[in-house]
Amino acid sequence: LAKTTQPISMDSYEGQEVNITCSHNNIATNDYITWYQQFPSQGPRFIIQGYKTKVTNEVASLFIPADRKSSTLSLPRVSLSDTAVYYCLVGDIGGSQGNLIFGKGTKLSVKP
Amino acid sequence: DAGVTQSPTHLIKTRGQQVTLRCSPISGHKSVSWYQQVLGQGPQFIFQYYEKEERGRGNFPDRFSARQFPNYSSELNVNALLLGDSALYLCASSPETGAYNEQFFGPGTRLTVL
Repeated sequence: LAKTTQPISMDSYEGQEVNITCSHNNIATNDYITWYQQFPSQGPRFIIQGYKTKVTNEVASLFIPADRKSSTLSLPRVSLSDTAVYYCLVGDIGGSQGNLIFGKGTKLSVKP
Repeated sequence: DAGVTQSPTHLIKTRGQQVTLRCSPISGHKSVSWYQQVLGQGPQFIFQYYEKEERGRGNFPDRFSARQFPNYSSELNVNALLLGDSALYLCASSPETGAYNEQFFGPGTRLTVL
């Protein structure tokens, strides 16, 4: 499984755009890139998933360059409630494996 | 529709005791996975069950066991509790077995071992 590397922490202010980059140099052809968000004492929540180029939903955008060795989660105009840990995961959505592999994630702190 | 539910919310046990944690998946979801999350770390995979069969097991000792019932709910059992078993135990469900399809996590059970 491809290993991911992301910053341990980031700080931002309300109203700013936040970009969290994840490195996955050994990503396999069938792997997708998935981001989860986790608030303290809650389970992780799926944010967005993509394979290549750009994916956008009502919460975030995911930018994936052509070589797919990295990806960037973009959160537009963050608010205090976006303070959370963000996990980048890489794996084959068509695979039979039953386990997600989480790293330590990026702790985002949004300040007023 | 109800999300994934877990019970109890919090639990305090002493070393050597046994504990059973329960999870009800989203209606229609056949896959249930269990994760352990210690403070400051990402969740670590313990078990996956799909259609009542074990489909995956993480690197946890035999003190950890689980099962899935015909209604797709699941129990996680931990015997001979150690202080290091103190953690947030998360249950996740999904319609199919592939973990990298969207997983829906419950709120977790906070286990404290004294």
